[in-house]
Amino acid sequence: DVKVTQSSRYLVKRTGEKVFLECVQDMDHENMFWYRQDPGLGLRLIYFSYDVKMKEKGDIPEGYSVSREKKERFSLILESASTNQTSMYLCASSIGTERPYYGYTFGSGTRLTVV
Amino acid sequence: DQQVKQNSPSLSVQEGRISILNCDYTNSMFDYFLWYKKYPAEGPTFLISISSIKDKNEDGRFTVFLNKSAKHLSLHIVPSQPGDSAVYFCAASRQGGTSYGKLTFGQGTILTVHP
Repeated sequence: DVKVTQSSRYLVKRTGEKVFLECVQDMDHENMFWYRQDPGLGLRLIYFSYDVKMKEKGDIPEGYSVSREKKERFSLILESASTNQTSMYLCASSIGTERPYYGYTFGSGTRLTVV
Repeated sequence: DQQVKQNSPSLSVQEGRISILNCDYTNSMFDYFLWYKKYPAEGPTFLISISSIKDKNEDGRFTVFLNKSAKHLSLHIVPSQPGDSAVYFCAASRQGGTSYGKLTFGQGTILTVHP
């Protein structure tokens, strides 16, 4: 069964910490995405990557960076965690630039709390 | 600027009746639309999609209608079942260029189906 795996389901971090969220997919997908989900705001795109070492900013990249050293792994980095980054973080992948007939495959999410 | 809007935060329906979830978009470049379903503590899963060349797509109990002139789509669930209770996200994409299959999501609608 193909899947997208996010390393942690729940994380609690302190303000100012550097936080790493990891995502691995086993579908050989080219594209990978990081979203955050907040009540009333839906899913907002933070960063995405369309190839190894390639990355593009999404709609809300401030305070975040990403790394994609291998095709299967896409990491989201919170350089200095703040309380307004408390959220559900969702990783997703999709195949190439083909039409997204099935769109993304999502991971189960990481609930991050910054205290 | 919210390019995809779901103006109803929640919807409550009796089991066996029809559920209608609505979605509006502003970007006329969008040409493919998808609905995702999300249970708590899980990632969203693909439900149904529609291309802009169609005005209707049906899959079992789920039907999506697209009105391009009004920039409006809706998801109909008939008959509704308690297991349909979830958050439903509308998403849109545009082909080609640097889109890389990016999806723009709405805010989500919480559907509750009462037995």
